[in-house]
Amino acid sequence: GNSVTQMEGPVTLSEEAFLTINCTYTATGYPSLFWYVQYPGEGLQLLLKATKADDKGSNKGFEATYRKETTSFHLEKGSVQVSDSAVYFCALMIAGGSNYKLTFGKGTLLTVNP
Amino acid sequence: EPEVTQTPSHQVTQMGQEVILRCVPISNHLYFYWYRQILGQKVEFLVSFYNNEISEKSEIFDDQFSVERPDGSNFTLKIRSTKLEDSAMYFCASSYQGGVYNEQFFGPGTRLTVL
Repeated sequence: GNSVTQMEGPVTLSEEAFLTINCTYTATGYPSLFWYVQYPGEGLQLLLKATKADDKGSNKGFEATYRKETTSFHLEKGSVQVSDSAVYFCALMIAGGSNYKLTFGKGTLLTVNP
Repeated sequence: EPEVTQTPSHQVTQMGQEVILRCVPISNHLYFYWYRQILGQKVEFLVSFYNNEISEKSEIFDDQFSVERPDGSNFTLKIRSTKLEDSAMYFCASSYQGGVYNEQFFGPGTRLTVL
């Protein structure tokens, strides 16, 4: 089956620190990969995505590269801000057909201190 | 900016009772979804809905669950007879079309507590 594994949180960083949140996947088909973010009291929002191998998704200073050889999609940011404090979810969707469900990881809570 | 809304934000119920969780998807969206997250576990897909019928459902979505779009704006999830293990955060989502190129927009969730 399809599954996503994220690094366990919580992650606590100081402002301007470098962030990496690891994500690996297993998939029976050819997945597209996503990072979603959930700020306190809000719904999950799409942060970035990549639909094929070696694609890099980027948004708001975050980036992740689709690595087929290592089945990974690690999220990185060079300098985090307090406002980046949120829960981050890695997810996949198998392209094609009528299967539109997202398969998520557990989520990683990030806290950034001033 | 359009957003998905969910009510209530928190629902407490007794085991065996019926609950209805309500969602208002984004108005021009055609695909609707329910997901849930049991505390400490992964967000899990429950069901997708298109053209007034279920297009896919997971193993979790058994006969105790049903979904409905009773009018042009609401999308509901009903649990007929709640169990303790139904306690979770339930997320509604919608997208204009299906597939990887059409973002699913999520609501803030309803926390269901079954006592």
